Amino acid sequence: GAGVSQTPSNKVTEKGKYVELRCDPISGHTALYWYRQSLGQGPEFLIYFQGTGAADDSGLPNDRFFAVRPEGSVSTLKIQRTERGDSAVYLCASSSGAGGITDTQYFGPGTRLTVL
Amino acid sequence: SQKIEQNSEALNIQEGKTATLTCNYTNYSPAYLQWYRQDPGRGPVFLLLIRENEKEKRKERLKVTFDTTLKQSLFHITASQPADSATYLCALGGAGSYQLTFGKGTKLSVIP
Repeated sequence: GAGVSQTPSNKVTEKGKYVELRCDPISGHTALYWYRQSLGQGPEFLIYFQGTGAADDSGLPNDRFFAVRPEGSVSTLKIQRTERGDSAVYLCASSSGAGGITDTQYFGPGTRLTVL
Repeated sequence: SQKIEQNSEALNIQEGKTATLTCNYTNYSPAYLQWYRQDPGRGPVFLLLIRENEKEKRKERLKVTFDTTLKQSLFHITASQPADSATYLCALGGAGSYQLTFGKGTKLSVIP
């Protein structure tokens, strides 16, 4: 079956621009997560959705970052006024939502964002 | 602040031997711990989960131990194969929280 997909796979932008990163979770998965992974580091939690609502956004680094999931399926991570320090791989994961906090998270391949 | 350390950035091992990776943590009381495999250009893939009240978990050639007194988890791959070469990440989760906190990972290379 189809896994988690993310588009684009690569995004190059200039400092100060706005970007949107898209995540298509596994069909039927109610939980969706965004992580950021810098070179040589493990993934860093950004935000968790249960259905349409952001249940935990405590990992978003500042108010330039925002994520939505309007219909409880596809999610978009939005970054305003990008900075060079935002360059990283942005990973999306989904889980069925049935198993609680220990649900298996299935990760997508990520979007590599480069801010010049 | 919470800190997770994985024993080394890179580990080289001969094919057929047992690989042992270490995950240590401080200033944290996780309810569970997970191990993931990550290949270059790919997202992490879940391997095993162990809860705070469990000492050991096994899955095929994989074994995970969890010592909450030592604040340490060990991840073993027995009869290692070149196909096991990848980066292995440990991740900790707290009670009632969906957040996972990841270590930096250990890059394992299994030499034929």
